[in-house]
Amino acid sequence: EVQLLESGGSLVQPGGSLRLSCAASGFIFRSYAMSWVRQAPGKGMEWVSAISGSGGTTYYADSVKGRFTISRDNSKNTLYLQMNNLRAEDTAIYYCANAKSIAARPFDYWGQGTLVTVSS
Amino acid sequence: DIQMTQSPSTLSASVGDRVTITCRASQSISSWLAWYQQKPGKAPKLLIYQASSLESGVPSRFSGSGSGTEFTLTISSLQPDDFATYYCQQYNSYSRTFGQGTKVEIK
Repeated sequence: EVQLLESGGSLVQPGGSLRLSCAASGFIFRSYAMSWVRQAPGKGMEWVSAISGSGGTTYYADSVKGRFTISRDNSKNTLYLQMNNLRAEDTAIYYCANAKSIAARPFDYWGQGTLVTVSS
Repeated sequence: DIQMTQSPSTLSASVGDRVTITCRASQSISSWLAWYQQKPGKAPKLLIYQASSLESGVPSRFSGSGSGTEFTLTISSLQPDDFATYYCQQYNSYSRTFGQGTKVEIK
């Protein structure tokens, strides 16, 4: 059974930092691209970042470019999102999701999300 | 970025009803479109990919159609388990974008 379990969400002050993790199981982690998607309270879904299976290719939404860094540890089957210089508008539930490639394939599975709240 | 416009935002229907949700892309995405179902507090679930391909294990009452810029998700006979929010998503490029969602409520 495929499982994606996010962790690391919490309340943080504006300008602060946070690192999210996504522990994966039930599939060959290194063979899948991974993404982070967020959903602000009462809002729609926003793609945040993606990383190839090897970790050699990364992409970011303009709204987080230069502040967020996606990475993965294929030996630990874990995806990360380092979030720096957080803003109120980054408040959202953050989901990780897998896909057989960075583009041209849908998200097969999603985690249940972790809540990030940016507030003073 | 490709914009996805989904309608309606809310839909009230009864068990047994035929339900149709529409998604429009701001430019052609060929058939690079997926539909997801999300229930409160749960992870989104893939229903349809490549615009019309049914994901394994998804009931056959769900179907998708369209290509280019116009797409539809149809539930042929709404069941109690289908009351949820539905999202379309284009995956034409790495910068995936979503429709705003359609909440299917009990009438």
